[in-house]
Amino acid sequence: SAVISQKPSRDICQRGTSLTIQCQVDSQVTMMFWYRQQPGQSLTLIATANQGSEATYESGFVIDKFPISRPNLTFSTLTVSNMSPEDSSIYLCSVPGGGGYTFGSGTRLTVV
Amino acid sequence: AQSVTQPDIHITVSEGASLELRCNYSYGATPYLFWYVQSPGQGLQLLLKYFSGDTLVQGIKGFEAEFKRSQSSFNLRKPSVHWSDAAEYFCAVGAVQNQGGKLIFGQGTELSVKP
Repeated sequence: SAVISQKPSRDICQRGTSLTIQCQVDSQVTMMFWYRQQPGQSLTLIATANQGSEATYESGFVIDKFPISRPNLTFSTLTVSNMSPEDSSIYLCSVPGGGGYTFGSGTRLTVV
Repeated sequence: AQSVTQPDIHITVSEGASLELRCNYSYGATPYLFWYVQSPGQGLQLLLKYFSGDTLVQGIKGFEAEFKRSQSSFNLRKPSVHWSDAAEYFCAVGAVQNQGGKLIFGQGTELSVKP
């Protein structure tokens, strides 16, 4: 299965600023998924990122707030824009493959 | 609607005791079923998965799960729990890759282990 390097692992940010999270995969993958895990909650899919096309966002998530880039088959970024304390969560990327789904180690974001 | 339900938010078991974590799903297509474990401050680790075939699947760390189509369930079991099993456990369901590939997660079950 794929190996994902996700950066940063954690950050503390001021409200109103933006943070870009990166995921690098060690193999080419068509689909990449971005999830949010709010404190004490389960994982919720934010969007699906396919290379060469715009990301597909789930209900409740919009591109202006969570812009995604997918410049090639091994890399993607998720930006959390104009942050508020409610954006404090763990953000994870994921890719399918090898009969399952591999997750990055997550980015723990705290907005103050 | 597609959904995954883990009825137990928190379970406490004694070390050495058996464990069963419940998972029920609602999914229109043939489901791929997964159990993941998340230790505090860690990412998600795949314990086991079911795609087809034998309905009893073995995973890592001595875990197993049984797929019961008639009950739409995929319960996770372990015969003897170790203190290191204390973690959050997530059941998830997804489609094959060419149908979208995204996972739907249950709410999670937090497992505490008493000495």
